[in-house]
Amino acid sequence: EVQLVESGGGLVKPGGSLRLSCAASRFTFSSAWMSWVRQAPGKGLEWVGHIKSKSEGGTTEYAAPVKGRFTISRDDSKNTLYLQMNSLKTEDTAVYYCTTESHYSGWEWGQGTLVTVSS
Amino acid sequence: DIQMTQSPSSLSASVGDRVTITCRASQGISNYLAWFQQKPGKAPKSLIYAASSLKSGVPSKFSGSGSGTDFTLTISSLQPEDFATYYCQHYSSYPRTFGQGTKVEIK
Repeated sequence: EVQLVESGGGLVKPGGSLRLSCAASRFTFSSAWMSWVRQAPGKGLEWVGHIKSKSEGGTTEYAAPVKGRFTISRDDSKNTLYLQMNSLKTEDTAVYYCTTESHYSGWEWGQGTLVTVSS
Repeated sequence: DIQMTQSPSSLSASVGDRVTITCRASQGISNYLAWFQQKPGKAPKSLIYAASSLKSGVPSKFSGSGSGTDFTLTISSLQPEDFATYYCQHYSSYPRTFGQGTKVEIK
């Protein structure tokens, strides 16, 4: 069974930075397209961004609210996905999920990690 | 950006009912649509991808259909464990966007 385990969440002040990690196992991580999705308290799901596999260019895409502040990267040697979050705002407070994305086998989701941006 | 509109936003149904949720895209997305189920305090779970393909391990009471701009998720016979919020998401272009969710509650 595919496993995705997020870590790195916590309390940070506005303007601060945080790096989330997502450890992947039990599938071929290097071939997977990976995404980050967030959910603010009591709200719906919001797509944050995406990284393709290195064999397909390893390119990244971002949602407008985070573009220029957040950076997605991957380390295929460690089977780990990252989300570097800079210049954090209170509206970035959310549970952050890492997911796979596949038109051929569907999505897998991690359990999420909570990021709270507050002074 | 492509907007995804789900209807209804919420519904009340009884155990054994057939339930249909609709998702409409603001422009054509072929079959690049996924459906997810989320229970309170839990991570979302994948149900359907490619508009109509059932994720491995998901019960066959769930089915998806549609192409282009109009899509449906159907639960053939609602069971207590199906009371949850359901989301659609397109992945035909960037940014990916979700519908606002449909909360399925017990009547």
